[in-house]
Amino acid sequence: AQSVSQHNHHVILSEAASLELGCNYSYGGTVNLFWYVQYPGQHLQLLLKYFSGDPLVKGIKGFEAEFIKSKFSFNLRKPSVQWSDTAEYFCAVNAGDSGGYQKVTFGTGTKLQVIP
Amino acid sequence: EAQVTQNPRYLITVTGKKLTVTCSQNMNHEYMSWYRQDPGLGLRQIYYSMNVEVTDKGDVPEGYKVSRKEKRNFPLILESPSPNQTSLYFCASTSPESSYEQYFGPGTRLTVT
Repeated sequence: AQSVSQHNHHVILSEAASLELGCNYSYGGTVNLFWYVQYPGQHLQLLLKYFSGDPLVKGIKGFEAEFIKSKFSFNLRKPSVQWSDTAEYFCAVNAGDSGGYQKVTFGTGTKLQVIP
Repeated sequence: EAQVTQNPRYLITVTGKKLTVTCSQNMNHEYMSWYRQDPGLGLRQIYYSMNVEVTDKGDVPEGYKVSRKEKRNFPLILESPSPNQTSLYFCASTSPESSYEQYFGPGTRLTVT
């Protein structure tokens, strides 16, 4: 069975600070990896995804993530955060042999608060 | 506009009174899922469907039922709701063509008293 760990539950940063949110997964086979963002009162939206190829993935709003297979990690980064990045961030994994790529496991989320 | 819709958005009900939350998508996606979101627990998958008449249990299926009679619709049924099913529920759809990116509905906040 697959699992996802997000070690940072609540992060507080000042505007312009750099961000890195950790995500580790456990699964031995092929995976698709995702980062989703949930702004207050809204539903989840995709930030970026890794399917195959270049392990450094760029997403929307200046976010990027690096897939390191040897570390089972998919950390999210942004060089300079803005107040509008205040949200909850979820890492998710979709494993290849789990019901045809449909058994999706989410991490518990990281709440990011950016202080102006 | 491509979207996933859910109804109702808010629901307060009493223990034991059967309810259905509807979900519909207009993207012709094969796959659909239901999640519940609880503080500190993230999103947990309740049920998913790979196509019409094909459904399977996720991580927390107890107390829930689903059906997939049409490709676009995937209702969630609570036959006898209990207070521990008070939660925020999201429906989502996806397809291989979208690299399995999940498109989420707006959510249904359910309170069971």
